[in-house]
Amino acid sequence: SQKIEQNSEALNIQEGKTATLTCNYTNYSPAYLQWYRQDPGRGPVFLLLIRENEKEKRKERLKVTFDTTLKQSLFHITASQPADSATYLCAPPANQAGTALIFGKGTTLSVSS
Amino acid sequence: DTAVSQTPKYLVTQMGNDKSIKCEQNLGHDTMYWYKQDSKKFLKIMFSYNNKELIINETVPNRFSPKSPDKAHLNLHINSLELGDSAVYFCASSPGTGGYEQYFGPGTRLTVT
Repeated sequence: SQKIEQNSEALNIQEGKTATLTCNYTNYSPAYLQWYRQDPGRGPVFLLLIRENEKEKRKERLKVTFDTTLKQSLFHITASQPADSATYLCAPPANQAGTALIFGKGTTLSVSS
Repeated sequence: DTAVSQTPKYLVTQMGNDKSIKCEQNLGHDTMYWYKQDSKKFLKIMFSYNNKELIINETVPNRFSPKSPDKAHLNLHINSLELGDSAVYFCASSPGTGGYEQYFGPGTRLTVT
């Protein structure tokens, strides 16, 4: 069955540095992958969607890559700020191009000033 | 202005009771979802409706019954509540099926005592 792994449960970095979060998937080839941000006590908020034919997607200080050979997506936040502190969730579809998402356990990012 | 709203935000009830959670979206989306986030923070799909038709029904006890009276509403009724049903339940919506971002509600924290 499909498996999603976000390698680090927690990542601590200093303000201004680049945060890099990793998402690995096994046993299938998703047609797209999404990233969400979740703050404590709130619902996930959509950040970026990248499709299998896209190597990279950017939005302001955020960048996502999708390596279908390595079966991996990397999520970068450049010039990180304390306000970026949150849990970031990787979410490919439950089957190749399906509607339902499988969410990783998430990486909790803490940015210190 | 709230895009996806859920009521109630908190629900505390005793084992054996029946309860409902309501969800409404004002985004004009065709597809709505129910997710469950357990104490370990894993977010799992339960149901999805597209244009009021059930399209995803994961392995969920049949004590859980979703109902979509119209495209903007998706309610979740739970019969004979059990301790293991304690979790945060999130409603979400998306413009369509397959490859669209999802917009989540604020969540309903259900505690069964």
